[in-house]
Amino acid sequence: GNSVTQMEGPVTLSEEAFLTINCTYTATGYPSLFWYVQYPGEGLQLLLKATKADDKGSNKGFEATYRKETTSFHLEKGSVQVSDSAVYFCALRGYGGSQGNLIFGKGTKLSVKP
Amino acid sequence: DAGVIQSPRHEVTEMGQEVTLRCKPISGHDYLFWYRQTMMRGLELLIYFNNNVPIDDSGMPEDRFSAKMPNASFSTLKIQPSEPRDSAVYFCASSFQTQPQHFGDGTRLSIL
Repeated sequence: GNSVTQMEGPVTLSEEAFLTINCTYTATGYPSLFWYVQYPGEGLQLLLKATKADDKGSNKGFEATYRKETTSFHLEKGSVQVSDSAVYFCALRGYGGSQGNLIFGKGTKLSVKP
Repeated sequence: DAGVIQSPRHEVTEMGQEVTLRCKPISGHDYLFWYRQTMMRGLELLIYFNNNVPIDDSGMPEDRFSAKMPNASFSTLKIQPSEPRDSAVYFCASSFQTQPQHFGDGTRLSIL
């Protein structure tokens, strides 16, 4: 079945450091891929998405490229800020899948120190 | 615009009691989802509705859990009787067709 694997945290970085959070997936066909972010005490918010191979999603300085050859959707940011401290979830929706087929990774906690 | 609204934000109750969690989706959204989040199991989809009809409840852990959506603007998730292992953060989310889901801020449930 479909699944998402993301790097385990926590990840601790200094402000302005480069961020990579790895995400790989297993799915048949052509899934849609998402990154969600969860700030303390809040629900998940969509950060970015990509719906087909080689698409790049971007938002708030974060980027992720849908790589079908490596079944990956790694999240990157060139210079993190303290305000980026949160838990990041990679997610997948299967091709032709209904809304219910949104599968989440276990989340990666990011802490950015000043 | 108002987002997804959940109540209560926090609930502490004793084992064996009935617990009811409430959700108001974003107006106009036709999908509603209930999730449970724990440290051990991460984020799990419990059940989802489309146009107020339950579509997939295979994630509901057992018969103690039930969910209803009597109309397009309200849903409940009920646990009866509650057990300590039900302690978690429960999220409601809604969406319009295949657009991304919008999450509420969650209900933090503690069963003593």
